[in-house]
Amino acid sequence: SQQGEEDPQALSIQEGENATMNCSYKTSINNLQWYRQNSGRGLVHLILIRSNEREKHSGRLRVTLDTSKKSSSLLITASRAADTASYFCATDQGAQKLVFGQGTRLTINP
Amino acid sequence: DARVTQTPRHKVTEMGQEVTMRCQPILGHNTVFWYRQTMMQGLELLAYFRNRAPLDDSGMPKDRFSAEMPDATLATLKIQPSEPRDSAVYFCASVPGGGQPQHFGDGTRLSIL
Repeated sequence: SQQGEEDPQALSIQEGENATMNCSYKTSINNLQWYRQNSGRGLVHLILIRSNEREKHSGRLRVTLDTSKKSSSLLITASRAADTASYFCATDQGAQKLVFGQGTRLTINP
Repeated sequence: DARVTQTPRHKVTEMGQEVTMRCQPILGHNTVFWYRQTMMQGLELLAYFRNRAPLDDSGMPKDRFSAEMPDATLATLKIQPSEPRDSAVYFCASVPGGGQPQHFGDGTRLSIL
């Protein structure tokens, strides 16, 4: 079964707007990772946040982690057409195994 | 940039045929994963290896699937006999060590007719 559940399943916004995606999980984790997948391609790692961290930034990406609520969010600021992709959260419960959510399909309209 | 390489990128075959998918992990990465992605089930872990030894293949149908790492530069996933329900995109990923992000190949899109 999927560990992470993502919300929303699909999101469509205008270029320049911010996009927020949420992820909830069920068990304790070592870290949580976000990946992007462009159509027809493999997943690309975006950012990793460890269980003892609450917030992390990378360029236009901001990730938060609330272990008490077992949830994480990914914020993409000032979105661009090239950000159109599916975004997945993945939880690392140990032994390097990742369990992926079903993903959020993000569409940026020009 | 070093990349995980998967071959073939696309495979169409008839049910009952043997299918072999190959993966070349990034040099120096000691852990290799096989995933299957479908619309219905999402991304599922099939099996993974560390230092070429199988660690967990509980996600794989044992009767028809097999995964091996004959050497550090090659991982294989075989399906014999193939069935239409095996149609999916199969991804290989590798990781250099504990707590590190996974690097994915671009997948093999498999269609079983």
